[in-house]
This record gives sequence, structure tokens and C-alpha cells, in this order.
Amino acid sequence: RKEVEQDPGPFNVPEGATVAFNCTYSNSASQSFFWYRQDCRKEPKLLMSVYSSGNEDGRFTAQLNRASQYISLLIRDSKLSDSATYLCVVPRGNAGNMLTFGGGTRLMVKP
Amino acid sequence: EAGVAQSPRYKIIEKRQSVAFWCNPISGHATLYWYQQILGQGPKLLIQFQNNGVVDDSQLPKDRFSAERLKGVDSTLKIQPAKLEDSAVYLCASSRRDSRREKLFFGSGTQLSVL
Repeated sequence: RKEVEQDPGPFNVPEGATVAFNCTYSNSASQSFFWYRQDCRKEPKLLMSVYSSGNEDGRFTAQLNRASQYISLLIRDSKLSDSATYLCVVPRGNAGNMLTFGGGTRLMVKP
Repeated sequence: EAGVAQSPRYKIIEKRQSVAFWCNPISGHATLYWYQQILGQGPKLLIQFQNNGVVDDSQLPKDRFSAERLKGVDSTLKIQPAKLEDSAVYLCASSRRDSRREKLFFGSGTQLSVL
């Protein structure tokens, strides 16, 4: 299994739809996880952190399934402005901030 | 607060030439990272500094890539000689410290095209 694996998409959804992405990881010792958002030709920016079973922030919910070693990102009531690439990020090793980025999942929200 | 500064924004060189990128992290951030992002892929860590020391450079192609952060503040990444496959965006990021709970702040990147 790759360190971090994501479906590259693109996911094409209409405005208002609910969409979910999964990300699988290989390091069973990983404790904290992140979703970063990257707009076209821009730098990645932190969207959400996931430290325990899950985290919710407005329309965004991130969940962690340690047994199956995956994290998910759920976006409700999609907006046009949600169109971006969503990068799953997993720590490498057991200490420090060495991070492995997934290849990203591209989301296109259409009117 | 000022963000992570990188220059140049774009660079076009021919293969076998040399190139250098510069990064100035957010003031007070002890940890600095250089990532390579090839089109359609996620960022790949090249090197991580904690102050002026190297934390991880296991994925840095040391035969052609070098990086330094001599005074523990700004950093340069050099490629000598460049290959076609080095065409990518080189992203610099910083965080307050080397902790897995620290948020990374990225610069706008340097887009390198090797012809």
C-alpha cells in the first residue's frame, strides 16, 4: 500500500450536492491527519486537522477510521468556490512534522 | 503577519544549467520545508530544516540538489545541473516548530521549466 493514496477524480458535482472523498494511509502509527486545499496554480492551505475520530467545521466534516486506515472528507451543500484539489496529509514516522501528501482529489462544482 | 516569501516566481532554463530558489519564512518560524510538486501530483518533501539544522533530507537527490539555511532564517535551494524531470513547482513552507500539530504555511512557489 502507498503511504497515502487518494482517488484523483475529478469529482464533478452540481451546486448544493454532498460529496465525500476518502484517503487511505499505510502507517498504522499515525496519530494526526490533515486535509489541505489547493486552488489551481496556488499554494496548499490547511483546511482541517483530524486528531481523534473526527472533526466538523461548518459544511466540512472529516472522519478517521483507524481500523481500516482511512480518513474521509465530507462537503455538504457544495458551493462553486469549493472547486479545488483536496490533499490528504499524513505524518511520516512517530515524531516531528514530517508529512506525506497524497496526490490530491480534484473537485469541480458546477452551477 | 507577512507570509512565506519566495523568489523568483517563474524560471525557465535549459537542461544542464544551474538554478537557485530563495525562501524567507514567516518571522519566528523555526521549521522550514522545501517541497517539489510535479504537475498533477501532491507536494513531495525534499528537505526539512529545524533552525539551521537538517531534520530530513532522505528524498533530496543529493547528486544535483542542495539546500542551506545558514543563519536559521532564509533558505536557498539549488539544482546543478538541472534535468528535464526537474520541471515542477518548488514550494517553501514554514511552521512555528517541528510538531505534528503545527500548521504549515506555504509560499506561492517557484515554477521551474527545464527545456
